[in-house]
Amino acid sequence: DAKTTQPPSMDCAEGRAANLPCNHSTISGNEYVYWYRQIHSQGPQYIIHGLKNNETNEMASLIITEDRKSSTLILPHATLRDTAVYYCIVRLLYNQGGKLIFGQGTELSVKP
Amino acid sequence: DGGITQSPKYLFRKEGQNVTLSCEQNLNHDAMYWYRQDPGQGLRLIYYSQIVNDFQKGDIAEGYSVSREKKESFPLTVTSAQKNPTAFYLCASSVDRLEAFFGQGTRLTVV
Repeated sequence: DAKTTQPPSMDCAEGRAANLPCNHSTISGNEYVYWYRQIHSQGPQYIIHGLKNNETNEMASLIITEDRKSSTLILPHATLRDTAVYYCIVRLLYNQGGKLIFGQGTELSVKP
Repeated sequence: DGGITQSPKYLFRKEGQNVTLSCEQNLNHDAMYWYRQDPGQGLRLIYYSQIVNDFQKGDIAEGYSVSREKKESFPLTVTSAQKNPTAFYLCASSVDRLEAFFGQGTRLTVV
């Protein structure tokens, strides 16, 4: 039941920006877009989330299109430690169960 | 420090046995979740709970059971009815529309 679509894998050169796309064409007005990443055999780590405006924190930037049907996570200067699986998630409304549904994610490989 | 704790980190079970995985949080979060992850795969939702004494099935609830008697605790029992229980199990908690926090997982192996 995942509501997001991501490419299965991407490569990025160390020091360059990594741009990870996500499609969420059925998103509704009050649903947020969240990004997590998972390094092998660890619990997922929260990165950033947004509703309609672009967001930035110390880890990344999130760009959401005006129609909210897609978004892009930007890691501005990727390092080898950013190699992980990145999950884009649409958070259902609390009164719909508040489920966090994960898709298959994008496996990002940062190469020297 | 506030956080979410799963125990044990590794668990071995004989076929036909029930086993319970622990998940505790001291973040005062209302919602808690259990996920299963198989090698090379994404996370699949087993059960979730929004409030004490209430929980809902996720996508793969068959062979699992949960309870939510206390806000801070959401144990998962893997029953003998789960035919392929070997997997990595993750617990998470969250407040509505804020980020979820994940535990470090329990790796269950059937021997």
